[in-house]
Amino acid sequence: AQTVTQSQPEMSVQEAETVTLSCTYDTSESNYYLFWYKQPPSRQMILVIRQEAYKQQNATENRFSVNFQKAAKSFSLKISDSQLGDTAMYFCAFMNYGGSQGNLIFGKGTKLSVKP
Amino acid sequence: DAGITQSPRHKVTETGTPVTLRCHQTENHRYMYWYRQDPGHGLRLIHYSYGVKDTDKGEVSDGYSVSRSKTEDFLLTLESATSSQTSVYFCAISESGQGGTEAFFGQGTRLTVV
Repeated sequence: AQTVTQSQPEMSVQEAETVTLSCTYDTSESNYYLFWYKQPPSRQMILVIRQEAYKQQNATENRFSVNFQKAAKSFSLKISDSQLGDTAMYFCAFMNYGGSQGNLIFGKGTKLSVKP
Repeated sequence: DAGITQSPRHKVTETGTPVTLRCHQTENHRYMYWYRQDPGHGLRLIHYSYGVKDTDKGEVSDGYSVSRSKTEDFLLTLESATSSQTSVYFCAISESGQGGTEAFFGQGTRLTVV
C-alpha cells in the first residue's frame, strides 16, 4: 500500500522569504502522480501543483515549485516570496497512474504560518 | 469553481442517531468520493463511486454506507452515529479515475456527534 509522510507538522516563515515543505512517499509503482494541496482557514481544498512521475522536469506554478526526487521518493514544495495569504495547511498527496480508483492518498499535513 | 455543494455544512447529532450527508455536483463527473479529515490524519477515503449505483469501499469505511442513484448526487450515511465519527467530511469529484485527473473538493461538512 502506498503511504505519504509529511515530517513537519508546523512551520513558519517571514513574509517575502522562501520556505520548503517536505514530503516522502512509499510505493512500488513506477508511474504515479503527486500533488500538493493547500487548505486555508476557509477549509477549501485547493490544488497548488501537480507532478507526473514519468516527467523528470520539476513542476512550477508561479511562486510554487517542487523538487521531485524519484529515486529517493521525495517530493518537496518550495514557496518563494511567501505572502500572508499562503498561511494554510499544506497536504502532499499521491495517486496511482492509470488506476480505476482515482483516489488520493494524503499525508497528515504541514501547517504553514507566514508572519509579517 | 467546480459545482460541488455539500449539505448540511454543519451538524450536531446525538450518539446512535442516523445521519445522512449529501454531495451534489453540476459537473457531470463520473467519479465521486467521500473523505474524512481528522487532526493528525490528513484526509482519508471512506467510500467512492465510479458511476450510478457503482460504489466501493475506501480505507475507513466501517460504520458508513453510501448510495448514488443519480450522477449528480452521492449520499453518505452513518447508520448509528458514534463519537469517533465526529469529523470534517469532504466530498470530491473527478472526471475519470485515471491518475492525474484533477479532483475538485466541496467545502466540507463539520459533523459533531455528542
